[in-house]
Amino acid sequence: DSGVTQTPKHLITATGQRVTLRCSPRSGDLSVYWYQQSLDQGLQFLIQYYNGEERAKGNILERFSAQQFPDLHSELNLSSLELGDSALYFCASSVARWGGEQFFGPGTRLTVL
Amino acid sequence: GIQVEQSPPDLILQEGANSTLRCNFSDSVNNLQWFHQNPWGQLINLFYIPSGTKQNGRLSATTVATERYSLLYISSSQTTDSGVYFCAVEDSSGNTPLVFGKGTRLSVIA
Repeated sequence: DSGVTQTPKHLITATGQRVTLRCSPRSGDLSVYWYQQSLDQGLQFLIQYYNGEERAKGNILERFSAQQFPDLHSELNLSSLELGDSALYFCASSVARWGGEQFFGPGTRLTVL
Repeated sequence: GIQVEQSPPDLILQEGANSTLRCNFSDSVNNLQWFHQNPWGQLINLFYIPSGTKQNGRLSATTVATERYSLLYISSSQTTDSGVYFCAVEDSSGNTPLVFGKGTRLSVIA
């Protein structure tokens, strides 16, 4: 157990819908990262927050957004869902702003039908 | 951006055999991690190793940062070692947290 929690574990929804994925980092970690793992794109970095502020942005679609709250948990919002958004979404956390070891949560498996 | 290449892409071993997985990267790094993704999809941290050598039980890893590669050694493999092994790096600019390689899929047969 990495200490990073994610909910829900599985999510099945329809095209056009909106979902919210939640992540709680390890105690003491200030950075939260979101990654997407799909069959065709592999594991890709989406976005990082450090102590409530966006710190780095990767290949995140405009239909996706995230935030980190004062208690340091984070949410990833996915809207206008398409079939191609079906993937495993991981949250990770670390103490450092950059360069430190990242610990991954169990992931949320999203299926868009 | 930084490129990460892992080899071999697939590996089949008899239980008890040893193996070496390789990760090449194209630029200097601040962070290099090895992960094992088990059949249930969980990503398990194996090593945080931007340089040097570390050992944990039957697993060990070495990163030669000046030559831009890292090796993961698995000794006396067990069926529970099956899964996909990923190498991931963060380049020294710190602008892109963890770029992942495509992984090595390991199957250990009893």
